[in-house]
Amino acid sequence: AQSVSQHNHHVILSEAASLELGCNYSYGGTVNLFWYVQYPGQHLQLLLKYFSGDPLVKGIKGFEAEFIKSKFSFNLRKPSVQWSDTAEYFCAAVRRSGYALNFGKGTSLLVTP
Amino acid sequence: DSGVTQTPKHLITATGQRVTLRCSPRSGDLSVYWYQQSLDQGLQFLIHYYNGEERAKGNILERFSAQQFPDLHSELNLSSLELGDSALYFCASGSGTSPSTDTQYFGPGTRLTVL
Repeated sequence: AQSVSQHNHHVILSEAASLELGCNYSYGGTVNLFWYVQYPGQHLQLLLKYFSGDPLVKGIKGFEAEFIKSKFSFNLRKPSVQWSDTAEYFCAAVRRSGYALNFGKGTSLLVTP
Repeated sequence: DSGVTQTPKHLITATGQRVTLRCSPRSGDLSVYWYQQSLDQGLQFLIHYYNGEERAKGNILERFSAQQFPDLHSELNLSSLELGDSALYFCASGSGTSPSTDTQYFGPGTRLTVL
């Protein structure tokens, strides 16, 4: 079955620490990949997406993600987190010919001052 | 604010009942996607409409149905409700026809509690 796995369910970091959230997908073929974020009390919003080209993609608020095809991974990174990055982060994947986004179960990030 | 609105925000009802959730997409978006988010299953795709036509179905139960109206708002109907239907229901809208390339803009969700 096609699935998206996020390794860390809960992450706690201090401000200024570096962040890496893991995401793996189990799809054959070509996939498009997304990271969404949900801040407390807010709606899900797109952080970044990868369709093709440079495997290192930059998104909003200083986030970036690297697509590694051989590892079926699309990990999210940020060099230095802020308290305002506290949120739930969702990785999602869909086949180029697919009809539905598959979401991971999310990673809850808490950044402490 | 994503521009996608959902009503109601909260809904509490009893088993066996029927409810209707409403979604208004962003201005100009023709696609509406519905998702269910529960603690154990995560965010699951239910159904996709584009310009009034059903485009794709995901893990949507037969007790659930949806439609998209000429003004592009969409409704998700849940009937014969069970305790396990308690969840957050999100809709998202997009300007494209395919979820593989469409950036989806999510609404705030409707929290359904079935007692």
